[in-house]
Amino acid sequence: GAGVSQSPSNKVTEKGKDVELRCDPISGHTALYWYRQSLGQGLEFLIYFQGNSAPDKSGLPSDRFSAERTGGSVSTLTIQRTQQEDSAVYLCASSSTRYNEQFFGPGTRLTVL
Amino acid sequence: AQSVTQLGSHVSVSEGALVLLRCNYSSSVPPYLFWYVQYPNQGLQLLLKYTSAATLVKGINGFEAEFKKSETSFHLTKPSAHMSDAAEYFCAVSESGANSKLTFGKGITLSVRP
Repeated sequence: GAGVSQSPSNKVTEKGKDVELRCDPISGHTALYWYRQSLGQGLEFLIYFQGNSAPDKSGLPSDRFSAERTGGSVSTLTIQRTQQEDSAVYLCASSSTRYNEQFFGPGTRLTVL
Repeated sequence: AQSVTQLGSHVSVSEGALVLLRCNYSSSVPPYLFWYVQYPNQGLQLLLKYTSAATLVKGINGFEAEFKKSETSFHLTKPSAHMSDAAEYFCAVSESGANSKLTFGKGITLSVRP
């Protein structure tokens, strides 16, 4: 079946611009996660959605970052007023098992010039 | 709080040799433990997971890992390396039970020499 998909695969933007990154989870998965992978910081948790519960935003690095999940399916991660330090690969994962087996998408590589 | 330590950033083995990638964790609650593999320009693929059942866990591509609570370790092994095993490997921990965030180690790059 279809896995987790993310778009765009690559995004180049100028400092100060806003960007939106999209994640389509595996159908029926109730949990959706965003992580960031960068050379300096490794893999970092950003935000987590579980069903209709309030999202866990504890990993968001600043108030420039926000995310929403519409209809319990597709999620959008928005970064406002991008900075060069936001350059990274943004990974989305979804899960539906009691054992927390997370399936990852291919990621969006964001470059802020 | 949870954390994962993967000592070293790079391991090189000969084709056919034993692969051993070390992972130690810290967790104040019973953990679930995972190993993921990442090939260049791809997302993460789950190799295997420990979820409080058997302590010796077998995964895909001939990999296995053993959960040792007394040593807080979850080392990944493969008896015989193949060229296709060259990739980056991440150990991760989460709280046990239902879905929760993963905390990753910094990753280890495995190179396989012909």
